[in-house]
Parts: sequence; C-alpha cells; structure tokens
Amino acid sequence: QVQLQESGPGLVKPSGTLSLTCDVSGGSISTSNWWTWVRQAPGKGPEWIGEIYHSGSTHHNPSLKSRVTMSVDRSKNQFSLNLTSVTAADTAVYYCARVAVGSGGDYDYWGQGTLVTVSS
Amino acid sequence: DIQMTQSPSSLSASVGDRVTITCRASQSITGYLNWYQQKPGRAPKLLIYGGNSLQGGVPSRFGGAGSGTTFSLTISGLQLEDFATYYCQQSYSAPYTFGQGTTLEIK
Repeated sequence: QVQLQESGPGLVKPSGTLSLTCDVSGGSISTSNWWTWVRQAPGKGPEWIGEIYHSGSTHHNPSLKSRVTMSVDRSKNQFSLNLTSVTAADTAVYYCARVAVGSGGDYDYWGQGTLVTVSS
Repeated sequence: DIQMTQSPSSLSASVGDRVTITCRASQSITGYLNWYQQKPGRAPKLLIYGGNSLQGGVPSRFGGAGSGTTFSLTISGLQLEDFATYYCQQSYSAPYTFGQGTTLEIK
C-alpha cells in the first residue's frame, strides 16, 4: 500500500518561500507514475499546482507563474515543492498525491495534507 | 483553462435516497473526468476515474456517467458515511482543474 506524507513549516512569512517535502513509502518513486501537488484554500475547491516525474520532468500551473519549483530525490524516495514570494493567498492545505498510471490522470493515493499559513 | 462547474452546490438528502450530482466542462474533455469524495479535515478520496470506472474498494452504489462536456455522479441508496463534499476534476488538459464542490448534507 503506497503512503504519502507531507512535511514542512506550517507558517511562512509574506514574501518568503514555502518549502514542502512528500515522503513516499510502500512503493518506489521511480515507477511510471507522475507525482503531483494540489492545494486547497479554506472553504475552496482543490487547485492543481504541478506534477513531477522521477526523471525530474515537471509541469506546473501557469497561474503560479515562475514561483513554483519541484524536485525529486530518488535516493530518499521523496519529492519536493518550493513556492516563492508567497502572500496570504497562498495559505492553504497542501497535498501531495500519486497520479495513477493507465487510467487517465486521476490521483489514487494522497497524503494527509499539511496546512501552510502565510502570515507575519 | 478548462472550467468545471458542479451543480447543485449543496444538496440535502436522507439515508436510502438516490442522488445525482452534475459536472459540466467548459469544453470537451472526452472521458477524462474523475470524482472525489472529501470529508472534513481529510484528503480527497478517488471514487470514479475515466468518467465511469469505479476505483477499487469503492462501494458499487457509486456510479459515474457522461462524456464530452456533461458528467454525473449518482449515489444509489445513501449511507451515513456518504455525507461529504464531492468534487469533479478534469484530467484532459493541464492545468487540471476541479469543480467548486457539492456538499451532501443529511436532511
């Protein structure tokens, strides 16, 4: 059973950088799956941030412009998200998830989520 | 970006009822539509992928239908544990977008 676990600071100052890591257990990150980040602001629907493959290839949401950087560490079986120049609008629960293979891009395994608050 | 619009935004129903939630895409997404269930403080849980395929372990009272721009999620014989918020998501074209959600409440 694949499990994902997000970790990182719960509080980030405005204009700072949000950094999160997703640890994958119960399976290798170096499979045919893509791995994704999704966030959900309080009371809102989920928002796709981006996705990464174990080779390091990435796609991200253009709405976040060039603020997003994603990376993968195959030796640690984890992937990471950096979001720069954060504002209060970036306050949300951040989830990492696995993109299923062969079924059309759905997210079959999710982390529990971590709340990140942007505040001084 | 493809806009996903769910209706209704909220729905009251009783245990045993049959309910249907609709999701409309702003352009054709063929069959690349997924449904998730979310309970307070929890991550979304995949119910249906590819418009009508039931994810493993999900009860058969959940069913998905549709293609192109109009999709539906039907729950037949509501159980207490089904009262939650439901989201549709298109995985046809990045950025992958979600609907605003439908909250299913106990009547």
